[in-house]
Amino acid sequence: NAGVTQTPKFQVLKTGQSMTLQCAQDMNHEYMSWYRQDPGMGLRLIHYSVGAGITDQGEVPNGYNVSRSTTEDFPLRLLSAAPSQTSVYFCASSYLSGNPAEQYFGPGTRLTVT
Amino acid sequence: GESVGLHLPTLSVQEGDNSIINCAYSNSASDYFIWYKQESGKGPQFIIDIRSNMDKRQGQRVTVLLNKTVKHLSLQIAATQPGDSAVYFCADVTRGGKLIFGQGTELSVKP
Repeated sequence: NAGVTQTPKFQVLKTGQSMTLQCAQDMNHEYMSWYRQDPGMGLRLIHYSVGAGITDQGEVPNGYNVSRSTTEDFPLRLLSAAPSQTSVYFCASSYLSGNPAEQYFGPGTRLTVT
Repeated sequence: GESVGLHLPTLSVQEGDNSIINCAYSNSASDYFIWYKQESGKGPQFIIDIRSNMDKRQGQRVTVLLNKTVKHLSLQIAATQPGDSAVYFCADVTRGGKLIFGQGTELSVKP
């Protein structure tokens, strides 16, 4: 299994540009989520999904959209990037029926918005 | 509101010593608490968790203690090794399965 994969690893955007951060998992996990991590801080939940076709907002959803058309993929869209969105983004997945604490994290995408 | 916070941002220990990383929380309705380890440039890695109806849980070289009276959580690492150097986060799992992370403590192990 590849686990949780994220692309790209690094990205630089100009203010106002749009882009999609990709996340995929091959473990047939129902639950997928996106977090952002700012320097010296823990991760904050942006959006999450409990299955294909179902998404919901986390702590800091503003400026981000998500969709879940398949079990495997959970892309995160920035429609109009802002410098405040400079951060490291992590995608995670887990089983719904198992221990919710055992989320598997991807390697992260480091995004800089100038 | 909910918050999970750590007492100390950095901790430096000698190789072979025991490490204790502390965490305070405010949401008394949480089901689980988890400790994650994050090495530089990587995503968080699950270490150990503890249910709210327990006060102690042990893993391989790690022990988590939960004191619900004072809303305090700690991670003890026995015989700390250089490979333990990382940032450690506690996280609170709500009944909806969401993770609320604390700020993090950077553990540095001196050889």
